[in-house]
Amino acid sequence: SAVISQKPSRDICQRGTSLTIQCQVDSQVTMMFWYRQQPGQSLTLIATANQGSEATYESGFVIDKFPISRPNLTFSTLTVSNMSPEDSSIYLCSAEGDNQRDTQYFGPGTRLTVL
Amino acid sequence: QQQVKQSPQSLIVQKGGISIINCAYENTAFDYFPWYQQFPGKGPALLIAIRPDVSEKKEGRFTISFNKSAKQFSLHIMDSQPGDSATYFCAARDSNYQLIWGAGTKLIIKP
Repeated sequence: SAVISQKPSRDICQRGTSLTIQCQVDSQVTMMFWYRQQPGQSLTLIATANQGSEATYESGFVIDKFPISRPNLTFSTLTVSNMSPEDSSIYLCSAEGDNQRDTQYFGPGTRLTVL
Repeated sequence: QQQVKQSPQSLIVQKGGISIINCAYENTAFDYFPWYQQFPGKGPALLIAIRPDVSEKKEGRFTISFNKSAKQFSLHIMDSQPGDSATYFCAARDSNYQLIWGAGTKLIIKP
């Protein structure tokens, strides 16, 4: 399995600012994913990030709002831009396992509050 | 067709009892069915998973039962313990290696 860390673990931000969340994996992985999870709710996929290519965004999410970088096989960042209170949520990073594109393993999440 | 329907939304079980959570899907192209356990303030953790060519998989107290013809699968937790109290998510993997998630089940084990 892959061990995933995220920074920051939580943050409180002002409306109109941007926050970049970092995700580090302890092994090289092809596919990484970014999710949003409202408290008590299921997970919603924001985008899939493959190294060396543009991220693929799900319906309702756009690159201008959620730019993603994937500079190498162990690291990715998600930026939440021009934040509003509606962006308050938990943001989760995940990566595929190292066994033939096995299932996904998750980081601990970043709890974002926008005032 | 991309939905995974999970039930119940919440479940209370006595310590030592059996907890059962059910999921159903429509897309026959799904090829991998994991269950995740999530504690408050933590990311989801893979609990157990099954592929559609197997009808049952057991790991310790956790068992997945898979019915391919009915397009249903379930998680059974035997001898449920207070430490099992968490939210459980079923999921199904599509042809793009994306996970389609159930809505989650909040499980409470009463001591």
